[in-house]
Amino acid sequence: AQKITQTQPGMFVQEKEAVTLDCTYDTSDQSYGLFWYKQPSSGEMIFLIYQGSYDEQNATEGRYSLNFQKARKSANLVISASQLGDSAMYFCARKGGSQGNLIFGKGTKLSVKP
Amino acid sequence: DVKVTQSSRYLVKRTGEKVFLECVQDMDHENMFWYRQDPGLGLRLIYFSYDVKMKEKGDIPEGYSVSREKKERFSLILESASTNQTSMYLCASSGEGRRTGELFFGEGSRLTVL
Repeated sequence: AQKITQTQPGMFVQEKEAVTLDCTYDTSDQSYGLFWYKQPSSGEMIFLIYQGSYDEQNATEGRYSLNFQKARKSANLVISASQLGDSAMYFCARKGGSQGNLIFGKGTKLSVKP
Repeated sequence: DVKVTQSSRYLVKRTGEKVFLECVQDMDHENMFWYRQDPGLGLRLIYFSYDVKMKEKGDIPEGYSVSREKKERFSLILESASTNQTSMYLCASSGEGRRTGELFFGEGSRLTVL
């Protein structure tokens, strides 16, 4: 099965510091998309950032950036200047083929300390 | 504002009961999905649908069925609920767009089976 691996079940970061959440993936496809979602304690899944496999630049969305290393099959999320509101579960995902579904990793729980 | 709406945020049911989880989207999306989320396991795909009256099994379809009679509505059915189906259920939809494969999620339905 084509997997998404998030090796950090939980992480702590000090407020205003940067943090990197790891994600590696399996795929034999040449064209694919990678996603990161945030899930606060309220439960809703919030889209954060997208990286296409053929995008020349690493994706950025405000304080979120994606460190995409295609040869290593990694797509790490970098959050700069962490805020208390960033405390949440973070999921990495990849499109699962032609069906349109996303395959998700098991998630990383980020806790931001004041 | 685009929206995916799940009928119930919290449900408590008894073993053996039939359970309906309803999901409605207002984005005219072709694709709709039901995921199950459990701690430490991430999101796992139960069923998805890419058109009215069409359905495909995901990774964990056992014990579930689905119905899609109208494009905007996708229902998840537990014919005879069991305690191991206690979980958070997330509905999502997707359509064509720049970030092909981006899922829009509902707020989730937390089901407890006693």
